[in-house]
Amino acid sequence: EVQLVESGGGLVKPGGSLRLSCAASGFTFSSYSMNWVRQAPGKGLEWVSSISSSSSYIYYADSVKGRFTISRDNAKNSLYLQMNSLRAEDTAVYYCARDLKLEAVTRYYFDYWGQGTLVTVSS
Amino acid sequence: EIVLTQSPATLSLSPGERATLSCRASQSVSSYLAWYQQKPGQAPRLLIYDASNRATGIPARFSGSGSGTDFTLTISSLEPEDFAVYYCQQRSNWPLYTFGQGTKLEIK
Repeated sequence: EVQLVESGGGLVKPGGSLRLSCAASGFTFSSYSMNWVRQAPGKGLEWVSSISSSSSYIYYADSVKGRFTISRDNAKNSLYLQMNSLRAEDTAVYYCARDLKLEAVTRYYFDYWGQGTLVTVSS
Repeated sequence: EIVLTQSPATLSLSPGERATLSCRASQSVSSYLAWYQQKPGQAPRLLIYDASNRATGIPARFSGSGSGTDFTLTISSLEPEDFAVYYCQQRSNWPLYTFGQGTKLEIK
């Protein structure tokens, strides 16, 4: 069974930092591109960042570029999001999500999601 | 940036009725569109990808159609567990994915 379990959320002051982790199990983690998607309280979904299976390709939404860093450790089946210079508007539940893969081709939709971890940026 | 506009914002229907949800893109996304279902306190669930393909384990009452800028998610006969928020998502402008603002499907 595919499982994605996020951790590392919490309350942080504006300008502070936080590192989120996502532990993956039940599939060959090193074969899949992974993503972070966030959802502000009572709002819709916003894509944050993506990383390819071997970390060769990394992408960010403009809203987090220069402040957030995505990374992964395939030996540990883990995905990370280092968040620096946090702002109030970064307050959200952060989900890690796996890219759909069909017949060995990445399809760039999100087929499995974790339960999310809440990040609150407030003084 | 490709903007996805979903309508209606809220749809009130009864179990057994047919639901039709719309997603319109600000420019063509070809067939590169997905639909997700999200229930309160849960993560989103992939329903449909590439506009019309059901994801693994999704019941046949869910269907998707459309291409270019206009897309529809249809639930043929609503079950109690279908009342949730539905989002569309485009991957045409990869890696700049965008989501619609959501349609809340509520029990009438």
